[in-house]
Amino acid sequence: DAGVTQSPTHLIKTRGQQVTLRCSPKSGHDTVSWYQQALGQGPQFIFQYYEEEERQRGNFPDRFSGHQFPNYSSELNVNALLLGDSALYLCASSLGFRNTEAFFGQGTRLTVV
Amino acid sequence: DAKTTQPTSMDCAEGRAANLPCNHSTISGNEYVYWYRQIHSQGPQYIIHGLKNNETNEMASLIITEDRKSSTLILPHATLRDTAVYYCIVRPLSGGYQKVTFGIGTKLQVIP
Repeated sequence: DAGVTQSPTHLIKTRGQQVTLRCSPKSGHDTVSWYQQALGQGPQFIFQYYEEEERQRGNFPDRFSGHQFPNYSSELNVNALLLGDSALYLCASSLGFRNTEAFFGQGTRLTVV
Repeated sequence: DAKTTQPTSMDCAEGRAANLPCNHSTISGNEYVYWYRQIHSQGPQYIIHGLKNNETNEMASLIITEDRKSSTLILPHATLRDTAVYYCIVRPLSGGYQKVTFGIGTKLQVIP
């Protein structure tokens, strides 16, 4: 039973570019949440998707957008990349919108130069 | 939305119990206490959660004070593999993670 898988594992982008990160939830899970983790900090909630809709959003600008597909997988898109967007991006999946236990992927390390 | 306070770092001898404290003095009545840990270069791993009663699972025990303003995560017999950053967070069970603050957690170092 595969857990949460994210791709790619590492990525280097130039300031101003756009990036798409992908996440496949744990088998049987239907809810996906995305987090940004800067070096030395805890994860910060970006948004959550359930039934292909954004259900909750943290304090992130509109440059951060997402999508959930019918198979529950999800994408995180970031436009007009800034140096400060360099971070570990984590995806977590759970069963149901009102989840109790979230399973995290290994993350995508994004470096903006 | 309550926030938590944890010590920045702690050491524990291998085989001994590790007791990690967390202060959440502004916790609301419908908010649960959750614990996660993050081993270097991996995603956070769920450990345990509770509302007001003490909880135990195969990984750890969670002790919540009667006034719910603080809690302690107990790893009964710490091993080197328990070296990680431990996060204490609070959130409503019926809500999501919208206003959850992970903070910087407690870096637990298990010493041989």
